[in-house]
Amino acid sequence: KAGVTQTPRYLIKTRGQQVTLSCSPISGHRSVSWYQQTPGQGLQFLFEYFSETQRNKGNFPGRFSGRQFSNSRSEMNVSTLELGDSALYLCASSSDRGIGNTIYFGEGSWLTVV
Amino acid sequence: GENVEQHPSTLSVQEGDSAVIKCTYSDSASNYFPWYKQELGKGPQLIIDIRSNVGEKKDQRIAVTLNKTAKHFSLHITETQPEDSAVYFCAASTSNFGNEKLTFGTGTRLTIIP
Repeated sequence: KAGVTQTPRYLIKTRGQQVTLSCSPISGHRSVSWYQQTPGQGLQFLFEYFSETQRNKGNFPGRFSGRQFSNSRSEMNVSTLELGDSALYLCASSSDRGIGNTIYFGEGSWLTVV
Repeated sequence: GENVEQHPSTLSVQEGDSAVIKCTYSDSASNYFPWYKQELGKGPQLIIDIRSNVGEKKDQRIAVTLNKTAKHFSLHITETQPEDSAVYFCAASTSNFGNEKLTFGTGTRLTIIP
């Protein structure tokens, strides 16, 4: 069974640009969530999608957005990039079949903003 | 919101000895407590999890204990091996059909000394 797949793995962008990251969840998983990991702030929740609807949102500015498609694949977008957006962006999926659903992470997309 | 504290931030143990990492959480409604291992350049890998209706869970050399009254949970690794060296994160969530949001601890860098 394939795991959570994220693309691209590495990318470099310039301040002011925008970036789109992609995530394919584990087959059969309907919940997809995104996290930002930085040395200073650790792992922080961005948002979570289920059946193409955003169910939860973390404390990030509106420049961070996402969406989910009918096949559960998800994308996140960051507009007007700032140097502080340099981070590892992690996608996670779960089956969401009840209480305490196991959440699995992908390998992440390393974003460097210069 | 939920707050998770994790100690220690670094831990060095001799190969073959045991390692213990402790976490406390603030939200009494939290019901799901996973532990992740993260190796350099990779995404977090789930190693064990526990739900609030269980006090202890074991998987080979790894065990987790949960004290709901005191709101803390711990990871125990016995007979440590060099490949156990990594950063370990605890997390908590009130996972319940639609709240797939994890709040993470700040991580523990575990080093196994050969």
